[in-house]
Amino acid sequence: RKEVEQDPGPFNVPEGATVAFNCTYSNSASQSFFWYRQDCRKEPKLLMSVYSSGNEDGRFTAQLNRASQYISLLIRDSKLSDSATYLCVVNGYGNKLVFGAGTILRVKS
Amino acid sequence: GAVVSQHPSRVICKSGTSVKIECRSLDFQATTMFWYRQFPKQSLMLMATSNEGSKATYEQGVEKDKFLINHASLTLSTLTVTSAHPEDSSFYICSARDRGASLEQYFGPGTRLTVT
Repeated sequence: RKEVEQDPGPFNVPEGATVAFNCTYSNSASQSFFWYRQDCRKEPKLLMSVYSSGNEDGRFTAQLNRASQYISLLIRDSKLSDSATYLCVVNGYGNKLVFGAGTILRVKS
Repeated sequence: GAVVSQHPSRVICKSGTSVKIECRSLDFQATTMFWYRQFPKQSLMLMATSNEGSKATYEQGVEKDKFLINHASLTLSTLTVTSAHPEDSSFYICSARDRGASLEQYFGPGTRLTVT
């Protein structure tokens, strides 16, 4: 089983739609969780950290469910510029970051 | 803030040659830098963790004699791919963790290596 698993997608949604991604992780000792965004042939960029209480940043909301070991990302009012690959990232053994393979989002007009 | 640069952004080399990639934290000190490799449509795979002033820690399956890492200062780490082969062609990305900060890592723009 992979340490971090994501649905690869692609998720094809119209502009203005709400879309949600889930991610599961296997290491119950993980304490830090992140969502990164990666554009084609570019480096990953931190989108947001995920806190136990959940957190919101504009149109983006992240939730953590420790009991079920999954993390979610909700994007409201999708924009064309949201099209990218979204990487779920969890700290693993030795505090190294472990990356999921990513979920592709395509927002179409 | 938290800018990481990487050079070169793209390199093409012949089999058997060596290639050096530089990673710099421009506006912060990074005691720890990380080197990742990403093949098309796959996730980032950690190759090694580089600590300033000490030997790098390599992940299982990564040959330390082939991928030489030097972290000579708090703002610079280098990765040298020695005796490159076509299967080493990949996207190499470094990241840096701010000294004393959380686990967040800031990524360089990556180096696309093509070995012919």
